Parts: sequence; C-alpha cells; structure tokens
Amino acid sequence: AQTVTQSQPEMSVQEAETVTLSCTYDTSESDYYLFWYKQPPSRQMILVIRQEAYKQQNATENRFSVNFQKAAKSFSLKISDSQLGDAAMYFCAYRLRPSGSRLTFGEGTQLTVNP
Amino acid sequence: EAQVTQNPRYLITVTGKKLTVTCSQNMNHEYMSWYRQDPGLGLRQIYYSMNVEVTDKGDVPEGYKVSRKEKRNFPLILESPSPNQTSLYFCASGEQGSSYNEQFFGPGTRLTVL
Repeated sequence: AQTVTQSQPEMSVQEAETVTLSCTYDTSESDYYLFWYKQPPSRQMILVIRQEAYKQQNATENRFSVNFQKAAKSFSLKISDSQLGDAAMYFCAYRLRPSGSRLTFGEGTQLTVNP
Repeated sequence: EAQVTQNPRYLITVTGKKLTVTCSQNMNHEYMSWYRQDPGLGLRQIYYSMNVEVTDKGDVPEGYKVSRKEKRNFPLILESPSPNQTSLYFCASGEQGSSYNEQFFGPGTRLTVL
C-alpha cells in the first residue's frame, strides 16, 4: 500500500521569505503523480502543483516549485516570496496512473505567514 | 460553471439518526469519490465509483454506504451515525483515462454527531 508522510505538522515563515514543506512517500510503483494541495480557512481544496513521476524536471508554478527526488521518494514544496494569502494547510498527495485512481494524502502541514 | 456541489455544508445530528450527504457534479465525470478529513490524518478515502452502478470501498468504508444510480450524483449515506463519524467530508470527481485529469473537490460538509 502506498503511504504519504508529512513530518512537519506546522511551519511558519516571514512574509516575502522562502519556505520549504517536506513530503516523503512509499510506493513500489514507477508510474504515478504527486501533488500539493492547499486548503485555506474556507476549506476548499486547491491544487497548487503536480509532478509526473516519469518527468525528471521539477515542476514550477509561479512562486511554487517542487524538488522531486524519485530515488529517495521525496517531494518537497518550495514557496518563494511568501504572501499572507499563502497561509493554509498544505497536503501532499500521491496517485497512481491511470486517471481515476484514488488520491493518498499526507497528514498535512499548517503554514503560518507572519507579516 | 464546472463544479462539484455538496449538501448540506454543515450538519449536526444525533447518534443513530440516518442521514444522507448529497454530491453532484456537472462535468460528466465518470469517477467520483468520498473522503473524510480528520486532524493529523489528512484525507482518507471512504468509497469511490468508476462509473454508474460501479462502486468500491476505499480505506475507511465502515459505517458508510454509497450509490451511483446516475452519473452526476454520488450520495454518501450514514445509516446509523456514531460520534466517531464526526468529520469534514469531501466529494471529488474526475475523468477516467490514461492521461492526467485533475480531480475536482466539492466545498466540504462539516458533520457533527452528538
């Protein structure tokens, strides 16, 4: 069974600084997706970024980027130039291909952004 | 607007009183799923459906039922709710297929069982 672990229940960062959230996962599969979801106080689940396991290049979406280490089964999220609106719970998630397979989530990391 | 809707958004009930949380999507997605979110545990899958009349258990199915009579609807049924089912529930939907398709989440239903 696949598992996803986020070892940092809480993190904080100063506005405009950079923060990295950690995620590790365990799987015997080679073809899968990894995701970071953001959950603000509204509770809505928002997809931040995704990574396809067969791609070596790390995904980037504006201020958000990942460090994907397939051999180490590590998938960290870096948020640059942190903004107050980045404060949220962040979940790392794993999904096998094909599409429709279930998402396996980590425990979540609560990010606080200090002004 | 493409969306997944859930009703009710908030519900307080008592032990043993049957309830249904509805989920509907307007994107013609084959795949639908229910998750529950608990502090320190993240989201865990309860049930999922690959298409109409096809449902299967997720990681935590005990105490829940689902049905998929229509493609757009996937209700979650708690026939005899207990306090340990107090949680935040999410419905999600997505397309089937071999290429990447994003899963879309509903707004969540906060359930309290007294």
